[in-house]
Amino acid sequence: QSVLTQPPSVSAAPGQKVTISCSGGTSNIGNDYVSWYQQLPGTAPKLLIYDNNKRSSEIPDRFSGSKAGTTATLGITGLQTGDDADYYCGTWDSSLSAVIFGGGTKLTVL
Amino acid sequence: QVQLQESGPGLVKPSETLSLTCTVSGDSVTNDEYYWSWIRQPPGKGLEWIGYIYYTGSTKYNSAFKSRVAISVDTSENQFSLRLSSVTAADTAMYYCAREAASGSTWFDPWGQGTLVTVSS
Repeated sequence: QSVLTQPPSVSAAPGQKVTISCSGGTSNIGNDYVSWYQQLPGTAPKLLIYDNNKRSSEIPDRFSGSKAGTTATLGITGLQTGDDADYYCGTWDSSLSAVIFGGGTKLTVL
Repeated sequence: QVQLQESGPGLVKPSETLSLTCTVSGDSVTNDEYYWSWIRQPPGKGLEWIGYIYYTGSTKYNSAFKSRVAISVDTSENQFSLRLSSVTAADTAMYYCAREAASGSTWFDPWGQGTLVTVSS
């Protein structure tokens, strides 16, 4: 069971918008930056967002990140079938003294 | 561009030591802006950070691995390595190496393609 809580799955139609939440606490999200990763089937994770809301190089502006208190959110607009993937949030936890990840959210573009 | 490539045995026997190497190209393991990290993912499960090494040789490990883990760096070969001792079936996973920011925030980019390690007799 992960310290960071993500919904196991979300789905939406092509062209629509979806948000994925990542809920933590004051020892992690509440006091540190959050990053987001996309893992396409059978591939390694890829950095999408770092420092809560900065897009990694070559990541389209359809992807956005935000943070409020102890919850971070990944937003994806203009959904494409190629966005079908698992998405993970990550941050540092000062109580555990370790990097932690959310349990992952499977996005299905119907 | 920066690329990382894991290598090592795909099959390890229970109670033995898992050893993997990550070869870095397009950057140097002596770059003081980054840590060099290992992350694993059991089949069908989420990501678990194992630890990192800095070019000075200083390390930070996930306490979940207690004293079983060691990460080392070879600056002459531009590689860093993972050793995980006393493995069990629970250590079966895809193992990734990744470059981690040392700037005060935590993010990993890029990642290696990963190598699957199975623990079985």
